[in-house]
Amino acid sequence: GDSVTQMEGPVTLSEEAFLTINCTYTATGYPSLFWYVQYPGEGLQLLLKATKADDKGSNKGFEATYRKETTSFHLEKGSVQVSDSAVYFCALRSTSGTYKYIFGTGTRLKVLA
Amino acid sequence: DGGITQSPKYLFRKEGQNVTLSCEQNLNHDAMYWYRQDPGQGLRLIYYSQIVNDFQKGDIAEGYSVSREKKESFPLTVTSAQKNPTAFYLCASRRPLRSGANVLTFGAGSRLTVL
Repeated sequence: GDSVTQMEGPVTLSEEAFLTINCTYTATGYPSLFWYVQYPGEGLQLLLKATKADDKGSNKGFEATYRKETTSFHLEKGSVQVSDSAVYFCALRSTSGTYKYIFGTGTRLKVLA
Repeated sequence: DGGITQSPKYLFRKEGQNVTLSCEQNLNHDAMYWYRQDPGQGLRLIYYSQIVNDFQKGDIAEGYSVSREKKESFPLTVTSAQKNPTAFYLCASRRPLRSGANVLTFGAGSRLTVL
């Protein structure tokens, strides 16, 4: 079945450091891919998305490119801030017709001032 | 502003009791979902509904029940048959796929603790 694998955390960085959170997926066809962010005690918020191969999603300085050849959707940001501290989830929407969304286990990011 | 409202935010339950978590949306979305979140396990799908009066089991439906009598509402009942109900529960909704949108919108969540 479809699945999403993302790097385990926590990831701890100093402010202004470069961020990469790896995400790979297994799915048939061309699933839509997403990154969601969750702040403590809150629900998930969409950060960015991509719906076809080579698409680049971007928002608030975060970027991710849909790589079909490597089945990856890695999240990057050039300079993180303390306010970026949160849990980040990679997800896909299945193309199997069941309208299911598959989420990774989440990666906690801690940014230190 | 449109959005998804989940209530209560915190709920305590004694063993053997059923509890119902509310989820209301004013986004005019057709599809609604319930997820369970446990530390280190990401989100797991409990139930989902594509239209009113229709819903399907997700990956961990045992011990849960839902109803979809109105487009705006998708309540989740955690029954006494659920062996380990302590978790954070998230409700989500989505516009019809024919609209070209496939993004899930989430509520703020409900944290259930069994005493």
